[in-house]
Amino acid sequence: AQTVTQSQPEMSVQEAETVTLSCTYDTSESNYYLFWYKQPPSRQMILVIRQEAYKQQNATENRFSVNFQKAAKSFSLKISDSQLGDTAMYFCAFMKPNTGNQFYFGTGTSLTVIP
Amino acid sequence: KAGVTQTPRYLIKTRGQQVTLSCSPISGHRSVSWYQQTPGQGLQFLFEYFSETQRNKGNFPGRFSGRQFSNSRSEMNVSTLELGDSALYLCASSLAGEAIYEQYFGPGTRLTVT
Repeated sequence: AQTVTQSQPEMSVQEAETVTLSCTYDTSESNYYLFWYKQPPSRQMILVIRQEAYKQQNATENRFSVNFQKAAKSFSLKISDSQLGDTAMYFCAFMKPNTGNQFYFGTGTSLTVIP
Repeated sequence: KAGVTQTPRYLIKTRGQQVTLSCSPISGHRSVSWYQQTPGQGLQFLFEYFSETQRNKGNFPGRFSGRQFSNSRSEMNVSTLELGDSALYLCASSLAGEAIYEQYFGPGTRLTVT
């Protein structure tokens, strides 16, 4: 079975600063997808960024970027120029293709952006 | 385009009762997945339906079941409720059967078992 570990239950960052959220996973698969989802307080979960394991280039989406280290099974999320709206729970997730959309989620990191 | 909707949003039930939760996916989406979210366990996969067929099931007891209708709406049922079933139940829909098509989550149903 796949496991996803987020070792930082809570983090905080000053507005406009940069923060990195950690995620490690365990799998014997060579082809898979990795995701970061954001769940704002009392709001719906939304996709932040995704990475295909076969792509060596790290994914970026505006202020969000990942550091994907396949050999180390590490998938960290970097948020640059943090904004108050970035305050949320962040979940790292793993998915094998052709498994009926079965995601494995980490336990989440609660990020607070301090004005 | 309307998002994923879940009804009811909040539910309080007593141990031993059963409950049915509903999820309406985004129009055109054929895949619906269900997750249980608790503070200690995070999000855990329950099952996924695609074109009315359950394609995958997580590690939950048989008290948890689901189905999908021809219009892609999905329901999940929990029988003989236990206190530990208290959680936020999320559903997610996607356009096709692969996650490379983004999954869109609903707001969830908050179930409290007393």
